[in-house]
Amino acid sequence: AQSVTQLGSHVSVSEGALVLLRCNYSSSVPPYLFWYVQYPNQGLQLLLKYTTGATLVKGINGFEAEFKKSETSFHLTKPSAHMSDAAEYFCAVSDQGTYKYIFGTGTRLKVLA
Amino acid sequence: NAGVTQTPKFQVLKTGQSMTLQCAQDMNHNSMYWYRQDPGMGLRLIYYSASEGTTDKGEVPNGYNVSRLNKREFSLRLESAAPSQTSVYFCASIASSGGAGETQYFGPGTRLLVL
Repeated sequence: AQSVTQLGSHVSVSEGALVLLRCNYSSSVPPYLFWYVQYPNQGLQLLLKYTTGATLVKGINGFEAEFKKSETSFHLTKPSAHMSDAAEYFCAVSDQGTYKYIFGTGTRLKVLA
Repeated sequence: NAGVTQTPKFQVLKTGQSMTLQCAQDMNHNSMYWYRQDPGMGLRLIYYSASEGTTDKGEVPNGYNVSRLNKREFSLRLESAAPSQTSVYFCASIASSGGAGETQYFGPGTRLLVL
């Protein structure tokens, strides 16, 4: 069965530092890949997604992620963290031809002044 | 255009009580989902509805029932609430029925506390 692993349930970075949130999936067939962000007491909203085509995907708020098939990874990065980036981030996958979306356990990002 | 709305926002129940969580979307989406979110466990699918009149079980359906009342509304019912059902519940929707990498749109959530 498809699974998603997010390394690090909590990540702290200084304001202005690089943000790197890790996501690995288990499928041998490349799935569709997503990153969602959840601000406190809110629902999830899409940051970016990979379906087909270019493996480097740009999203909102300066975030981007690169699909690496050989590493079964879809890590999320942002060159310079901002205080407003503090939130919980979820990686999710969806296999082709299925309605199911499998979510990782989430990474809570803290940005230090 | 409100997107996905959920009611209530917060609810406290006693063990054994019943309640229905309501979800509605105004985006003319075909598919709707119910998830629960628990600390350290991410989102887990409770039930899914590909289209009006159809529902399927997800990963954690025990203790829940759902109704796809029409294309807009998808409700989740707890017949006899248990403390293990204390959680935050999210409704989501996508435009089509087949997934295929579509973006899920989420409601703001319902926080449920079962005493």
